[in-house]
Amino acid sequence: QSVLTQPPSASGTPGQRVTISCSGSSSNVGSNFVYWYQQLPGTAPKLLIYRNDQWPSGVPDRFSGSKSGTSASLAISGLRSEDEADYYCATWDDSLSGYVFGTGTKVTVL
Amino acid sequence: QVQLQESGPGLVKPSETLSLTCVVSGYSIGSGYHWGWIRQPPGKGLEWIGSIYQSGATDYNPSLRSRITISVDTSKNQFSLQLRSVTAADTAVYYCARHLYIEPMDVWGKGTTVTVSS
Repeated sequence: QSVLTQPPSASGTPGQRVTISCSGSSSNVGSNFVYWYQQLPGTAPKLLIYRNDQWPSGVPDRFSGSKSGTSASLAISGLRSEDEADYYCATWDDSLSGYVFGTGTKVTVL
Repeated sequence: QVQLQESGPGLVKPSETLSLTCVVSGYSIGSGYHWGWIRQPPGKGLEWIGSIYQSGATDYNPSLRSRITISVDTSKNQFSLQLRSVTAADTAVYYCARHLYIEPMDVWGKGTTVTVSS
């Protein structure tokens, strides 16, 4: 059972903006960096956002991350069909002394 | 370019030990990052298994701690996972990955599927 809560699904039409939330607590999101991953079917997770709001090389700026208190968010603007995937947040949990992942959000492009 | 590649048996019998190796290329394993294992049961989310740090120290998921050993072989630039007394609940895709201290993973292997069945 994950300690980071995400909505199970999100959807939008091409070109729209979709936002995914990641809700945690003071021992995880509230005190550590949040990373976001995109997982296409049958593939490994790919890093999208690191340190709350930073882009790795090669990731388009249509993807953006933010954090406030014990919640973080991933926004996808200019939604494209290739953005259909599962998205996960992750961070370190000081109480558990380990990494925790979000429950995952499936994004559908209508 | 850093690459990680998991290897190991795809089928393990119940009660036996699952052993996987992750070979790292393009980066020296002792140079400053840390190394972890993550798994994903079929149709489910990601679960951190454990990590080994540059110092050789380890952190394990409390729910798996009694059954896990993670070790590193710097001479072969690889690290390994042993999971003992497996059951069907351990069936999953197993990923190895790189990370900084208390920061999540930045580079992942492609994953290897392990099925626990007699």
